[in-house]
Amino acid sequence: DTAVSQTPKYLVTQMGNDKSIKCEQNLGHDTMYWYKQDSKKFLKIMFSYNNKELIINETVPNRFSPKSPDKAHLNLHINSLELGDSAVYFCASSPRGRLGEQFFGPGTRLTVL
Amino acid sequence: AQRVTQPEKLLSVFKGAPVELKCNYSYSGSPELFWYVQYSRQRLQLLLRHISRESIKGFTADLNKGETSFHLKKPFAQEEDSAMYYCALSGPSGSRLTFGEGTQLTVNP
Repeated sequence: DTAVSQTPKYLVTQMGNDKSIKCEQNLGHDTMYWYKQDSKKFLKIMFSYNNKELIINETVPNRFSPKSPDKAHLNLHINSLELGDSAVYFCASSPRGRLGEQFFGPGTRLTVL
Repeated sequence: AQRVTQPEKLLSVFKGAPVELKCNYSYSGSPELFWYVQYSRQRLQLLLRHISRESIKGFTADLNKGETSFHLKKPFAQEEDSAMYYCALSGPSGSRLTFGEGTQLTVNP
């Protein structure tokens, strides 16, 4: 299947822990994104990478660090998790020159206890 | 700065009734507008783009530059249309897609 995939789908962890979420797309897209969807369903961009290069870095705590080992992967590492980090995190990708046509992953529901 | 406003957080209609989800934007140039939909427990997906002037699942949206609006309409709502709808905007040479806060549509039987 051609798609954007994320692992894990659910992540429950204690405050203070470090965790990672992985994202992969096999659509051949150049640009990948991380979004955070809060409890009110508001969707906010966190990071964007184009061909492994960081192009958007929103006002996100530096506990969040994205890593793009290659064009098809964009992982999100979170240090020292806090209660407020609980949310659904979506990965997305878009083809070259068509950033408005984004393909989203299924989301990772992170719960910090 | 680019901004998208969806004034209704919740919208409830009966099956067969017309539905209109409002979207207003602010952008200094010529924007590209999109509607995305998220069905319950599913991923967000692109519904339609203003440049395509298409009708998807019976939905249409017209870009009104004078009113800076891009409202989503359907003449006869169906129960399966119940979902979260996001309006989104990007500039022609921009690097980001800006989403509105979303409207949760419920179509009652």
